[in-house]
Amino acid sequence: VQLVESGGGLVKPGGSLRLSCAASGFTFIDYTMNWVRQAPGKGLEWVSSISSTGTYKYYADSLKGRITISRDNAKNSLDLQMNSLRVEDTAVYYCARDMLDSASLDSWGQGILVTVSS
Amino acid sequence: QLVLTQSPSASASLGASVKLTCTLRSGHNNYAIAWHQQQPDKGPRFLMKLNSDGSHTKGDGIPDRFSGSSSGAERYLTISSLQSEDEAEYYCQAWDTGIRVFGGGTKLTVL
Repeated sequence: VQLVESGGGLVKPGGSLRLSCAASGFTFIDYTMNWVRQAPGKGLEWVSSISSTGTYKYYADSLKGRITISRDNAKNSLDLQMNSLRVEDTAVYYCARDMLDSASLDSWGQGILVTVSS
Repeated sequence: QLVLTQSPSASASLGASVKLTCTLRSGHNNYAIAWHQQQPDKGPRFLMKLNSDGSHTKGDGIPDRFSGSSSGAERYLTISSLQSEDEAEYYCQAWDTGIRVFGGGTKLTVL
């Protein structure tokens, strides 16, 4: 299993960014996928989940309305569109996979840093 | 509301054992959780899924030194024969319809 995030970087407050996660080594279409973030020196915070077919999408209350999760099962990719970014959105963002039979996260990417600063 | 509580820190000596605790909020005693390890400057690594009856499913390559157990609302991670590389942050994680929740993490220091 390999999950590789991309698309991070420095963005100004109010700006937008699109993160991507390339998945390999497993049957992507079978799994619910997630984004989890970690602000500098802080703990893990779940951001969003999307079901295997993309039908169901869930968002953390703190980000709802500013983010959109999506996936392309033909390309084995997961995306996170982030708008109206705030300084407090600065974090390492991880792509993570659910287990097949539960929402226990069983595989993680290496993470990608998003810095929101003027 | 699903909430997980962890002690912020723990310590134990090299070669000894340590038991970390994750407590589920009242009313969630039957929930399974997952344990994740995060070594310094690394991404998280899945250790195991731990059920309310104490049965657990470990991630690939997780040594036998890592085990899990449950009692009521408490979920435990026991690490035996502590090694220096076990010094890390340990997070528990639970889930409910549409959400995933993390505990605040326990920073384990190996003395």
